[in-house]
Amino acid sequence: IAGITQAPTSQILAAGRRMTLRCTQDMRHNAMYWYRQDLGLGLRLIHYSNTAGTTGKGEVPDGYSVSRANTDDFPLTLASAVPSQTSVYFCASSRGPSSYNEQFFGPGTRLTVL
Amino acid sequence: SQQGEEDPQALSIQEGENATMNCSYKTSINNLQWYRQNSGRGLVHLILIRSNEREKHSGRLRVTLDTSKKSSSLLITASRAADTASYFCATDRYSGGGADGLTFGKGTHLIIQP
Repeated sequence: IAGITQAPTSQILAAGRRMTLRCTQDMRHNAMYWYRQDLGLGLRLIHYSNTAGTTGKGEVPDGYSVSRANTDDFPLTLASAVPSQTSVYFCASSRGPSSYNEQFFGPGTRLTVL
Repeated sequence: SQQGEEDPQALSIQEGENATMNCSYKTSINNLQWYRQNSGRGLVHLILIRSNEREKHSGRLRVTLDTSKKSSSLLITASRAADTASYFCATDRYSGGGADGLTFGKGTHLIIQP
């Protein structure tokens, strides 16, 4: 692995189902993030983690949860998916505070909730 | 809500010409970053300019920052077909800085005509 990976690449999900999007980085970055990208709205931050064991809410956290059990992994869970969560989801990481460091992005997960 | 807003929303130029994109933001910042996104891919970091810098260069990229006007511009010189992409500016979510993610604008979609 080189960089940041996401799985699955795409998924079609029935409303009400539970879904976990996976994100793994091998750069030993302290900070990780989840964004969603919707047409016309740009990227919006869902949740973030400054370091392993800590998480925080972003701009649009409702309906999503995250965990950061170790440095490398930052899964995003939709407990009960709704159609408005149809989007492209990007995971990102940075060595340190996002204010002062570039973020590295994964290739994205395209999620469709029917 | 979006901190940064890019202008124009879309730009189409001939190969070899220069492309200029602008970004305006609302609150004070520590740094401002520019990212590129090729269709269907994750974002790639281009350049970071600190609040005490007025201009920064990287290859064919030139970024300016005017904190009094709360605006930044990205200039791509001698454009190439491979520059076709969406370009986003990003700023701190909060003026205090930190590792709590970035706020992205909605992006400028740049098309380079061969």
